Amino acid sequence: GQQLNQSPQSMFIQEGEDVSMNCTSSSIFNTWLWYKQDPGEGPVLLIALYKAGELTSNGRLTAQFGITRKDSFLNISASIPSDVGIYFCAGLYNFNKFYFGSGTKLNVKP
Amino acid sequence: NAGVTQTPKFRILKIGQSMTLQCTQDMNHNYMYWYRQDPGMGLKLIYYSVGAGITDKGEVPNGYNVSRSTTEDFPLRLELAAPSQTSVYFCASSREGSYEQYFGPGTRLTVT
Repeated sequence: GQQLNQSPQSMFIQEGEDVSMNCTSSSIFNTWLWYKQDPGEGPVLLIALYKAGELTSNGRLTAQFGITRKDSFLNISASIPSDVGIYFCAGLYNFNKFYFGSGTKLNVKP
Repeated sequence: NAGVTQTPKFRILKIGQSMTLQCTQDMNHNYMYWYRQDPGMGLKLIYYSVGAGITDKGEVPNGYNVSRSTTEDFPLRLELAAPSQTSVYFCASSREGSYEQYFGPGTRLTVT
């Protein structure tokens, strides 16, 4: 299967700081998605990206679809305690199968 | 509008037993998916369906079977449970033409 390398694995930041995480692959993906998962819950979609180079925002979250179609980035500005959770990237390969990264665990200190 | 519902929430199986994980969505979505999530890992696609009567294998289909007789339901069957199938199982659905998946709350399965 396709491999998505997500980094960093975990982050410990202070409330108010900005956060960046990314996902890379050796394969080309048609769509990139970013999800947040809280403990004991299913992932919740944050942002969907459909075109190479696309930059999309959702409140304090901004994500970009890399120009090579092999990577994507998620930024969170001015973090708050409720941003705590695990963030996953997911890429759509060959228009029919999704592959997920292993997640970035975010901890925010008040 | 309940979204995607999954039953049971938790289950412990003995090696060799079988069970069916249930998934139902009330959003009239054509596409449905089954994923498994091992501890500290991302989700891996087991099977997916693009409509009633149509299913296809994902990345890790071995040891599982699915059926899709209605738009709403997409059950996942484990025939001979093995310890390697200990995981959290998530069902998801999306509209045709959209890749924005909505996930259920998950079923935590332990095989001992």
